[in-house]
This record gives sequence, structure tokens and C-alpha cells, in this order.
Amino acid sequence: DQQVKQNSPSLSVQEGRISILNCDYTNSMFDYFLWYKKYPAEGPTFLISISSIKDKNEDGRFTVFLNKSAKHLSLHIVPSQPGDSAVYFCAASDTGGFKTIFGAGTRLFVKA
Amino acid sequence: ETGVTQSPTHLIKTRGQQVTLRCSSQSGHNTVSWYQQALGQGPQFIFQYYREEENGRGNFPPRFSGLQFPNYSSELNVNALELDDSALYLCASRQGAISGANVLTFGAGSRLTVL
Repeated sequence: DQQVKQNSPSLSVQEGRISILNCDYTNSMFDYFLWYKKYPAEGPTFLISISSIKDKNEDGRFTVFLNKSAKHLSLHIVPSQPGDSAVYFCAASDTGGFKTIFGAGTRLFVKA
Repeated sequence: ETGVTQSPTHLIKTRGQQVTLRCSSQSGHNTVSWYQQALGQGPQFIFQYYREEENGRGNFPPRFSGLQFPNYSSELNVNALELDDSALYLCASRQGAISGANVLTFGAGSRLTVL
């Protein structure tokens, strides 16, 4: 069962514009949502997280929005840079839980 | 501080063989988990070890087993390899027993090909 879904396998954006990556989930019991970024030949690296009791968290160029009623979250990158080109994974976990569930990933291409 | 290191980086096995993958956790991290990432998919949770005990397991058969050592390093063992076991195996560590988001530090992975 796919509890975390990323329906867009890829996204192409012009440098300087906004990138919006989307994620849907089905389990209301998730306490935290996270985004990881993965470059080729490297492991995923943590980018930003949001608690289920919040609807927005911002860190520099990266902002995550959470809509609990729609079970939807999105990652906004403004402005997008060529170095942001990577695969982005949406993930969900419960507090202190041992299991993090990942989406299939969205490959972002930022064109110079 | 050193990050998570995994070995080997690549390996090729044949069906029915056994494989052992190794992981050194990040300094200060006492919890290690393993994930399988098949082509085109996200990482899938295999199991987690905390203080040398398995304390969580995903939907993987018993031929996937593991160990954690007193220095918090870990091994993933897979017996009776099948073609579908071909994947990138990721090790991740974190500091256990804390509240908040379960932020994982990943290694670069071991790519296993089963022929």
C-alpha cells in the first residue's frame, strides 16, 4: 500500500523560477513529514520537515506547506537554481517511530 | 564528524547466493535502519536496530536479517538471493529515543545486482 505518493515523476523549471513539488498521503496518524534530496551516487540528505500541527515551515529558499484536510503537502523552492537538480523524496513518520515511509520521488531539472 | 559509510559500493551475485552488506553509523548515532530502493521507487524500510536489538521491521521475508554491533555499526544479510533483490541498499542512522522528526542520515548505498 502506497501511503505516501508523489504522482509527478519529473519536473522541469527555469532557473530563477519557483519549483513546486507535491506529495499526498493516506495515513492520518503521521506526525511528521520530511523532504529529502538525492544526487546521483549519493544517499538522500534531509532538507526540511514539518510537524503535523503546523501548516508551513520555511528554511531559506525552501518552504513546505501542509494541508491536513486534503492530506497533501508541497515543497516550494524559490528561486530555483541549477544545483537544485536532484530527486526529491517526500517522507512521513510518527514521533519516535522506527519507520519512515517514502514516496517514489520526483526528479527536478532546473535549466540555466 | 564522519557520516554514514557503507561497503561494498557495488557487487554482483547470482541467484541463491548470500550477501552481507556493512554500515558504519554517524558518530553519536545509536540507531541504524536499512532501506531497499528498487529502480524508480523510493526507499522501502527493511528493519531498524537500536542498542543491538531489532526494534522494527518492514514487509520483508526472514531471509533478510541483520546485526548491530556494540560500536553501533551494522550488517544486512540476505540469503537465497532472488533476481528481485537487485536494488540499492541504503543504511541510515539517527540518534534514538528523541522526540521530533525522525531525521535520518543516509550512506551512499550498496548497489546489489543479482544475475
